[in-house]
Amino acid sequence: KAGVTQTPRYLIKTRGQQVTLSCSPISGHRSVSWYQQTPGQGLQFLFEYFSETQRNKGNFPGRFSGRQFSNSRSEMNVSTLELGDSALYLCASSLAVIGTAVGYTFGSGTRLTVV
Amino acid sequence: AQKVTQAQTEISVVEKEDVTLDCVYETRDTTYYLFWYKQPPSGELVFLIRRNSFDEQNEISGRYSWNFQKSTSSFNFTITASQVVDSAVYFCALRSGYSTLTFGKGTMLLVSP
Repeated sequence: KAGVTQTPRYLIKTRGQQVTLSCSPISGHRSVSWYQQTPGQGLQFLFEYFSETQRNKGNFPGRFSGRQFSNSRSEMNVSTLELGDSALYLCASSLAVIGTAVGYTFGSGTRLTVV
Repeated sequence: AQKVTQAQTEISVVEKEDVTLDCVYETRDTTYYLFWYKQPPSGELVFLIRRNSFDEQNEISGRYSWNFQKSTSSFNFTITASQVVDSAVYFCALRSGYSTLTFGKGTMLLVSP
């Protein structure tokens, strides 16, 4: 059974550019969540999608956006990149029935460096 | 609001020592779920255990054991006879109600040979 696949693994972008990260969840999982991990702030929740609908959103500026497709694959986009956006972006998939907390499986992440 | 506190930033032990990682949580919900994840240098978060608020039984899995105490809002994790391969960052996390996973800051465990 394939795990959660995140692409690309590494990315270097310049300030002001935009970036799109991709996450393919485990087959059959309909929920995808995104987290940003930095040394200073730790793991912070970005957003969560379930069946193509955004279910929860963290406290991030509007430059951060996401979407989920009908096949449950998800993308997140960051526009007008800032140096502080340099981080490891982790995606998690889950069977996720709303209101419960079944297991979350994480991908290996995309390490974004903004220069 | 929910909160997870891992007071230990970094722990160093010598192989074969036992080590306990502390986790204290806060939530107003009566139904909630607690998790432990391991993050090796590769970056992937590896799921270790999930416990719901109605199940206070301690659990043992090989060298790993977990002590869940609602009275002190703690969910501590013990590794017995630590090994070098246990070196990683360990995260405690909480999910309650319709909220998302809230993680602690993590504890870096370094096991030396």
